[in-house]
Parts: sequence; C-alpha cells; structure tokens
Amino acid sequence: GEDVEQSLFLSVREGDSSVINCTYTDSSSTYLYWYKQEPGAGLQLLTYIFSNMDMKQDQRLTVLLNKKDKHLSLRIADTQTGDSAIYFCAESPRTGGYNKLIFGAGTRLAVHP
Amino acid sequence: DADVTQTPRNRITKTGKRIMLECSQTKGHDRMYWYRQDPGLGLRLIYYSFDVKDINKGEISDGYSVSRQAQAKFSLSLESAIPNQTALYFCATSKVGNQPQHFGDGTRLSIL
Repeated sequence: GEDVEQSLFLSVREGDSSVINCTYTDSSSTYLYWYKQEPGAGLQLLTYIFSNMDMKQDQRLTVLLNKKDKHLSLRIADTQTGDSAIYFCAESPRTGGYNKLIFGAGTRLAVHP
Repeated sequence: DADVTQTPRNRITKTGKRIMLECSQTKGHDRMYWYRQDPGLGLRLIYYSFDVKDINKGEISDGYSVSRQAQAKFSLSLESAIPNQTALYFCATSKVGNQPQHFGDGTRLSIL
C-alpha cells in the first residue's frame, strides 16, 4: 500500500539543527520530496532527492535517504524563526504513473528563542 | 510569484450550493492537479489532468467535477456542496514526466 508517516510536531531552539523524519512504503518511488507550508500560504517545494542518491545538500538543508528502511529525513542547520512552518514529505509511486504524490500529514516545526 | 493562481482565496457558502474554484498558471506546464488539505491528513488528490483532453480521478473524486478549459486553466466544481467538503483546496502544476509539482496559495472553502 501507499502510506507516508511523519511525526506531527517538533520544537527546537533558534540556532540548533532540526531533523524531520519521514517513512514511506512504496519502494517504486523514484523521487521523494520535501515541501514547506507557511501560515496562509501554499506548499513551497523545498528540495527533492532521486531514489538512487543517499544524500543531497542544499545550503542549510540536508536530505538523507535510507532506501532499505524507506526512511527520509530533512535536516535544517542553524534553524531560524523563519523556518517555523509545516513540512510535508511526499513520495511519487510508480502506480500513479509517478504523477500522484502521496503526502504525509506534515510536521509542524516551532522555533523558539 | 504568482505562477499558479487560485481564485477565490476564501469562500463561505451554504449547503447545497454549486461552487467553482478556479486555477490558472503561467508556467507553461501541461499537467494540473487539484488537492484538498484537511488538518492532520496531509493533502489528498481529487482530480488531475495531463492535457486539455485528459481528465483522471484521484483518490477522493466523489462529489467533485473538473474542467480543463485550456492548457493554463483547470477548474474544480462542487455541484451540491456539503459541510464535510469544508477544507483548504490546492491547485498544482507540473511538467511532463516525473517532475516536481508546484502549488498555488490555496482556496479556503467553508460550507455552512
């Protein structure tokens, strides 16, 4: 079946690193995505990783993929108050022709001083 | 930027009314999607379209219909709105192939 799971809430201190975790079920997914949703806004594509990669780094963002365990994580270095948002993990399984994104419920990141 | 524009941004209406949500895009993408977001459930796919002549049901299409009027326009209709269709609705677009989807800012729909 298709399912994506994330913890619902994460609280970090400003300046610390945040790690948001996600597990997915469909090993046919060739891309895995992280989206960010700020209050009152749509989903902003943050980054994505191809399934044959273990890691992708983009400035303060690091994505780690453990394909064996179907585990994806997003690390935000030096977390700032502007990073407070809901973060969604999504997979694109082959069964949907790779066009059907399956989203997790989202992790609400709260950054405090 | 407003590459994917949804109108209206907010709508309050009554049970039984017909509602149309509009989406237009300037990204030149062929593929368009409608999702709904409910608290604690993430986003779920309602309908998607690969081009003007193509319409496909998503996982929760009951109670909804769509129209792809042009490459740049994809509208979602609720023929007879019911309160459990109260949600945040998102339109998205993507290029052909296994490409990321890009989202509009959403329409918040409340049905009383």
